[in-house]
Amino acid sequence: DIQMTQSPSSLSASVGDRVTITCRASQSISSYLNWYQQKPGKAPKLLIYAASSLQSGVPSRFSGSGSGTDFTLTISSLQPEDFATYYCQQSYSTFTFGPGTKVDIK
Amino acid sequence: QVQLQESGPGLVKPSETLSLTCTVSGGSISSYYWSWIRQPPGKGLEWIGYIYYSGSTNYNPSLKSRVTISVDTSKNQFSLKLSSVTAADTAVYYCARVGGFWSGYYDVQYFDYWGQGTLVTVSS
Repeated sequence: DIQMTQSPSSLSASVGDRVTITCRASQSISSYLNWYQQKPGKAPKLLIYAASSLQSGVPSRFSGSGSGTDFTLTISSLQPEDFATYYCQQSYSTFTFGPGTKVDIK
Repeated sequence: QVQLQESGPGLVKPSETLSLTCTVSGGSISSYYWSWIRQPPGKGLEWIGYIYYSGSTNYNPSLKSRVTISVDTSKNQFSLKLSSVTAADTAVYYCARVGGFWSGYYDVQYFDYWGQGTLVTVSS
């Protein structure tokens, strides 16, 4: 099974900050990597698919990069509505989610 | 706009079978994979399994012995059964559509539409 890790597990940031979240796979997954945002009491929302493609309707301040085992989600200028938990998910071999990164207000 | 809605009992007794149904509206269940995902309170997401509209399935190995996912295309629904439940199966259960496309090099897949989730508590 492919295991996913994320770092950090949580971070505190201010509005306007540049935020970077890292995801690592236990083996190469090429670009089979997606990112989701989840707010409390809500279902996850797809942000990025295939490592770097922005889902329709998602603000351009979100971007993704990486391939192989190491991936990054970047929020270029954090907005109030971006405080949430972010999950990476691999689709190379069925599906596995990372443990999540909680982004809260500093 | 595709919408998914989970339904089923919110309370299940230990050792019994959890049963949930997901109703798809705003689009056909055909030509897609459909999945169940769960999230224990305060924890992360766990993929349970998926079914193709034709009926082929794939399950998380950690749950495979207890999981059955089925589809009813005439009702635009798919269902989850999880047997021999324990308190560890208490979670919010989500149904989701597996969207994607062939990139020319590989099959891009992701969960693009989700239900709102339903909390299932396992307790006597």
